[in-house]
Amino acid sequence: QTVVTQEPSFSVSPGGTVTLTCGLSSGSVSTSYYPSWYQQTPGQAPRTLIYSTNTRSSGVPDRFSGSILENKAALTITGAQADDESDYYCVLYMGSGIWVFGGGTKLTVL
Amino acid sequence: QVQLVESGGGVVQPGRSLTLSCAASGFTFTSFGMHWVRQAPGKGLEWVAVIWYDGSKKCYADSVKGRFTISRDISKNTLYLQMNSLRAEDTAVYYCARAESGNDLNYWGQGTLVTVSS
Repeated sequence: QTVVTQEPSFSVSPGGTVTLTCGLSSGSVSTSYYPSWYQQTPGQAPRTLIYSTNTRSSGVPDRFSGSILENKAALTITGAQADDESDYYCVLYMGSGIWVFGGGTKLTVL
Repeated sequence: QVQLVESGGGVVQPGRSLTLSCAASGFTFTSFGMHWVRQAPGKGLEWVAVIWYDGSKKCYADSVKGRFTISRDISKNTLYLQMNSLRAEDTAVYYCARAESGNDLNYWGQGTLVTVSS
């Protein structure tokens, strides 16, 4: 069974830029997987940042961007702020009506 | 604005059944696919099930296939998840989510907690 991979943790300095990735245990991620990205803080519902690779959800600032980089989906945060400290999840559409989430990345801003 | 409100969670014994509801508003319910996603305590998100925008197709994660059933009532703009033969590992917050352009999840509800325990 294919596993969706994410970095377990990442840190970024305030004002810095960070790129989180979403890959496959076997194969490459392309736009055909419709990668989406979500931000979640403890006790809260997920918030959609990016869907369909690079479309920002309503109200999401443009310092969040999505792309495909080196066979993985990528979420880039520029000008990191303290309240960006959250868990970030990606999800991929595997085809045949099945979606799979990655294990999430815990982002620390310090 | 899009609103999704889950209800129906609670404490249930192993082997019993429970049905979750998700009341939708602010959009045309029959134009978008709808998902259920769950999150066990302290764990990550797990996709559970989807129903196509026209109700023509329903798909499930292997972990719930044969036990859970996704459905909808378009007259009530409500999505359901019927959960049978519940196990301790089904304990989680259950979220409903709306698709956007077809193969993605965009809008989310606030979730409802299901605890399976004797």
